[in-house]
Amino acid sequence: LAKTTQPISMDSYEGQEVNITCSHNNIATNDYITWYQQFPSQGPRFIIQGYKTKVTNEVASLFIPADRKSSTLSLPRVSLSDTAVYYCLVGDPNGGGGNKLTFGTGTQLKVEL
Amino acid sequence: DVKVTQSSRYLVKRTGEKVFLECVQDMDHENMFWYRQDPGLGLRLIYFSYDVKMKEKGDIPEGYSVSREKKERFSLILESASTNQTSMYLCASSLTGQEPSRGYTFGSGTRLTVV
Repeated sequence: LAKTTQPISMDSYEGQEVNITCSHNNIATNDYITWYQQFPSQGPRFIIQGYKTKVTNEVASLFIPADRKSSTLSLPRVSLSDTAVYYCLVGDPNGGGGNKLTFGTGTQLKVEL
Repeated sequence: DVKVTQSSRYLVKRTGEKVFLECVQDMDHENMFWYRQDPGLGLRLIYFSYDVKMKEKGDIPEGYSVSREKKERFSLILESASTNQTSMYLCASSLTGQEPSRGYTFGSGTRLTVV
């Protein structure tokens, strides 16, 4: 399974755009990139998934360069409620055998006033 | 709203006890997973199952076993609980081949304390 590397922590202020970059040098051809968000005492929650270029939904955008060795999660105009741990994962969601994913330690985002 | 439900939010058990953690999903997902989460270590995969009666070891299966007799239910068993198994346990499920993917759906977790 491809390993990911992301910053341990980031700080931001309300209203700013936050970009969290994840590197995944060994990503496989069939792998997708998925981001999860986790609040304290809750399970992680799926945010966004992409394969290449750019994906946008109501929560975030995901930018993936052509070589797919990295990706950037972009959170527009963050608020205090975006304070959470963000995990970047790579894996094949269409693969058989359980399509298990390996979580790293994530990025702790702290948003302040 | 689709759900993954873990039977207990908090549990306190004694060393040596046999402990059952139950997880039920109502989404007809094939895949189910058990993770534990510890400070500084992130989520680590204990066991997973991609079909009824099928199970696969994850990264840290020692001291644990699982049971999946029905598609919607995945149980984690601590055969003889030890203090180093004090942790947050998270169950998740997923559907293979969904487009677009909705990833894993997690339960709210069970915080287990072994004394």
